[in-house]
Amino acid sequence: QSALTQPASVSGSPGQSITISCTGTSSDIGGYNYVSWYQQHPGKAPKLIIYDVSNRPSGVSNRFSGSKSGNTASLTISGLQAEDEADYYCSSYASSSTAFGGGTKLTVL
Amino acid sequence: EVQMVESGGGLVQPGRSLRLSCTASGFTFGDYAMNWFRQAPGKGLEWVGFIRSKTYGGTTEYAASVKGRFTISRDDSKNIAYLQMNSLKTEDTAVYYCPRGRRSFDFWGQGTLVTVSS
Repeated sequence: QSALTQPASVSGSPGQSITISCTGTSSDIGGYNYVSWYQQHPGKAPKLIIYDVSNRPSGVSNRFSGSKSGNTASLTISGLQAEDEADYYCSSYASSSTAFGGGTKLTVL
Repeated sequence: EVQMVESGGGLVQPGRSLRLSCTASGFTFGDYAMNWFRQAPGKGLEWVGFIRSKTYGGTTEYAASVKGRFTISRDDSKNIAYLQMNSLKTEDTAVYYCPRGRRSFDFWGQGTLVTVSS
């Protein structure tokens, strides 16, 4: 199984947009359209915010969007709000495993 | 309402065994793959392994860090997934979660804490 590569941290001011990248290989991100993203606040369970690259579950704000190009997926959060400060993880289907990112800490300045 | 409740965590000595349970409700348990993830204190999430639904053979896959020591099983009649952990190491200390799904993981429980220490 492989680990996906994410930046350790990103930051932005309220109202701005930020993008978190997630780089894998042709065996995971590049091979399937099954990238998902998770938000985790301290002491809480992870929450699914994007699935199948760019789809949002019911109830997730449309400020969250996802995309993919080749072996790299991206999560964009627009109109940053204080409540968006959290850890974000990417994940990708792989045939005999699950690839998971190391997480990105988002700080809202 | 879909729910996953993890249980069975606690303090265990290195080298000993522990079995975690994941009790699911609110959906047709047998239709879904079930996963185990863990999160060491102050660290990121780590995929541990999963078990496919019986439709896909009920087979299992594991992360290299636990392969040969951990075993995932399921009892579809009771809506429970299990994680049998043997030969535990201090680095297995973590909160363990059991979300459902294969391509994405839409419902997570609150986790159960396993502490491996002498």
